[in-house]
Amino acid sequence: EDQVTQSPEALRLQEGESSSLNCSYTVSGLRGLFWYRQDPGKGPEFLFTLYSAGEEKEKERLKATLTKKESFLHITAPKPEDSATYLCAVQEDDYKLSFGAGTTVTVRA
Amino acid sequence: KAGVTQTPRYLIKTRGQQVTLSCSPISGHRSVSWYQQTPGQGLQFLFEYFSETQRNKGNFPGRFSGRQFSNSRSEMNVSTLELGDSALYLCASSEAGQQFFGPGTRLTVL
Repeated sequence: EDQVTQSPEALRLQEGESSSLNCSYTVSGLRGLFWYRQDPGKGPEFLFTLYSAGEEKEKERLKATLTKKESFLHITAPKPEDSATYLCAVQEDDYKLSFGAGTTVTVRA
Repeated sequence: KAGVTQTPRYLIKTRGQQVTLSCSPISGHRSVSWYQQTPGQGLQFLFEYFSETQRNKGNFPGRFSGRQFSNSRSEMNVSTLELGDSALYLCASSEAGQQFFGPGTRLTVL
């Protein structure tokens, strides 16, 4: 059973069209939830860590939020350079990261 | 600080061979984790080393092994390569629970 599920699998946006990505998880003891951005052929780039329900973090056009069962990554007024695969991962008490399959975002000019 | 470095960046091997991949973590980071990334399975955890000891292990066969040296550099070894081992192998070093990834080694098994 998947511990981390991301939706949608792919998202095509027009430049300036805001949207949200979802990450739902089923782990029992959450140490932290992480968001990464991955460009083709490169390693994931760290974006945010969220530790408790109600927490929010922002960076430029991205804002991550966390509830007890899911996290959202909001992209406000995206630009073509925001095109990438966004990965969500949860960390349990044993420090292992379990990743979701990712959401591939394409932003058209 | 310099980021996580991995060598080599690309590797082509044939079935049955073995391969060793190297990872140098960010200076001061004592934890190094390894992941396998494939289009079908996504990012899967292989193992984690902390201060030269394996702290965690994922669900991979014994053909996959690793080690960490006293300077925190880590190596990963895959023996008796199979076609399905073709993947991007990522190394991440961590501090205070946050993992920072290297660019990966692209392994192709023919």
